[in-house]
Amino acid sequence: NAGVTQTPKFRILKIGQSMTLQCAQDMNHNYMYWYRQDPGMGLKLIYYSVGAGITDKGEVPNGYNVSRSTTEDFPLRLELAAPSQTSVYFCASRIGLNTEAFFGQGTRLTVV
Amino acid sequence: GESVGLHLPTLSVQEGDNSIINCAYSNSASDYFIWYKQESGKGPQFIIDIRSNMDKRQGQRVTVLLNKTVKHLSLQIAATQPGDSAVYFCAEPRPGGYQKVTFGTGTKLQVIP
Repeated sequence: NAGVTQTPKFRILKIGQSMTLQCAQDMNHNYMYWYRQDPGMGLKLIYYSVGAGITDKGEVPNGYNVSRSTTEDFPLRLELAAPSQTSVYFCASRIGLNTEAFFGQGTRLTVV
Repeated sequence: GESVGLHLPTLSVQEGDNSIINCAYSNSASDYFIWYKQESGKGPQFIIDIRSNMDKRQGQRVTVLLNKTVKHLSLQIAATQPGDSAVYFCAEPRPGGYQKVTFGTGTKLQVIP
């Protein structure tokens, strides 16, 4: 198993541009999550999904959108990028409620 | 609760000493807790977990203690090594749904050689 794979690893965006951060897992996990981590800070939950076709907002969803058309993929869409979205983005998945989450290696995004 | 705007607290420990990292949780109904380790430039990795029917759980060089009375978790690392330098997070389900996993602020552990 490759685990949780995020692409790209790094990206620089101009203000107002859009992009999609990709996340794929091959562990057949139901639950998937997107977090952002600002420098020297903890993880903030952006969106999560409990299964294909079901998504819900986390703590900081503004400026982002997600979709979950398959169990494997959980892309995060940024529309109209802003400097405040400069951060490291982590995708995670887990099989069930009281189980550990597996994280991808992160996408470092800079908006200039 | 939220700690927006606060930077990570740092714990500096001499190599070979024991480290204790603390975490307070808010939901008295939480029944499962996880500690994660995040090395610089990497995603968090699972260290150890504990369920609420336990007070203590031991792993390799790590021990997690759970005090439900005061809603407090601690992670103890024995004989701390330079490779233990990382940020440590505790995680618990939060009010609003057990499907959500949210993380505490985290503690940065610096090991002094």
